Amino acid sequence: QLQLQESGPGLVKPSETLSLTCIVSGGSITTGTHYWGWIRQPPGKGLEWIGSFFYGGIFYYTPSLKSRVAISVDTSQNQFSLKVSSLTAADTGVYYCGRHDSSWYVDYWGQGTLVTVSS
Amino acid sequence: QSALTQPASVSGSPGQSITISCTGTSSDVGAYNYVSWYQQHPGKAPKLIIFDVNDRPSGVSSRFSGSKSGNTASLTISGLQAEDEADYYCSSYRSISTPEGVFGTGTKVTVL
Repeated sequence: QLQLQESGPGLVKPSETLSLTCIVSGGSITTGTHYWGWIRQPPGKGLEWIGSFFYGGIFYYTPSLKSRVAISVDTSQNQFSLKVSSLTAADTGVYYCGRHDSSWYVDYWGQGTLVTVSS
Repeated sequence: QSALTQPASVSGSPGQSITISCTGTSSDVGAYNYVSWYQQHPGKAPKLIIFDVNDRPSGVSSRFSGSKSGNTASLTISGLQAEDEADYYCSSYRSISTPEGVFGTGTKVTVL
């Protein structure tokens, strides 16, 4: 059974860079059959795509966040990471990693990790 | 990233049917049969309940069904049950400059 688990700091300061990691078990991120991505949800608000990658070097980022985010991949550890720079309070929320199909439906989700941006 | 439009809330009594709409544009919902729906209970991760407009993942109740007409997709929950009380989000594939996904604004379903 495929499982995804996010990890990272719960609290970060404004203007700093957030680093999150998604550890994947029960399946490989290198199979080349699915995309892997990040989604976030501000408190009490809706879901927002951040970005995705397809093994082989294809990366997609939501236009509104593209200048501040970057996804990297560690195939040796079967995990992928997200960096979000120049943080503001608006970046506070639960961050999910997930696996999605080419039609962009997410069939596996991590449990989510809460990130608070505050001094 | 312009979100898809959903009603903020929908309610119904046990046993009734309710429908949630999801309105996009000719660049997303209207252009592709790639609409998905998610159920989210408080404090939990979203759960996929419909993909590719009207397909259900294994294990999802047949009480959930999806459809699409033009730029608007819909999720129908029939035989409403107490456990259906949750937030529901639609999502669509969109490819304007690059491929991306876009979510709906979310709908709170209340079982009266």
